[in-house]
Amino acid sequence: DAKTTQPNSMESNEEEPVHLPCNHSTISGTDYIHWYRQLPSQGPEYVIHGLTSNVNNRMASLAIAEDRKSSTLILHRATLRDAAVYYCIRTQTGANNLFFGTGTRLTVIP
Amino acid sequence: EPEVTQTPSHQVTQMGQEVILRCVPISNHLYFYWYRQILGQKVEFLVSFYNNEISEKSEIFDDQFSVERPDGSNFTLKIRSTKLEDSAMYFCASSGQPANYEQYFGPGTRLTVT
Repeated sequence: DAKTTQPNSMESNEEEPVHLPCNHSTISGTDYIHWYRQLPSQGPEYVIHGLTSNVNNRMASLAIAEDRKSSTLILHRATLRDAAVYYCIRTQTGANNLFFGTGTRLTVIP
Repeated sequence: EPEVTQTPSHQVTQMGQEVILRCVPISNHLYFYWYRQILGQKVEFLVSFYNNEISEKSEIFDDQFSVERPDGSNFTLKIRSTKLEDSAMYFCASSGQPANYEQYFGPGTRLTVT
């Protein structure tokens, strides 16, 4: 059970920022938030993860709400290569698996 | 950049046959995983493996499935007697830390059971 809620699909124009929302209202204090994505015909790919603070890496930024009940994955400039299904996943401390939901299918419009 | 590799990319087998799917995780990783994705469906966790033993498994991972790390580099998934419903994409993943850190996935093996 992924225990997160995401929109089924979103669209973005190329070169524009994208904000992908995720709701995890039942999150516990020690659960991490992970984002993975799956490009067409490929395996899932790690994007970013965090616990409480906002996080940045070369791929994206993760903004976590102060109450931790929601988070937003931010792609600063969408490219055609970013078209994928994006998964928001909670993991418990010490957990050894990822539970994937249905994710958000991002379409990038040239 | 290090990556997880999987062989074969596509395996076709007859129902009832045994198959072995092979994975080479990233060399300094300690945690290994198998997931599967039936066409058009979610990615599903099968099993995690650490320190030469299964650390967690899902309901899908029944007695027909087994995993092994036969040497220092390979990680295998065996299905003893394949069923039609085992047809799926099987992904291997590895990580240097437990699942609270990033997992690196391979490109997958497409298993077709006829």
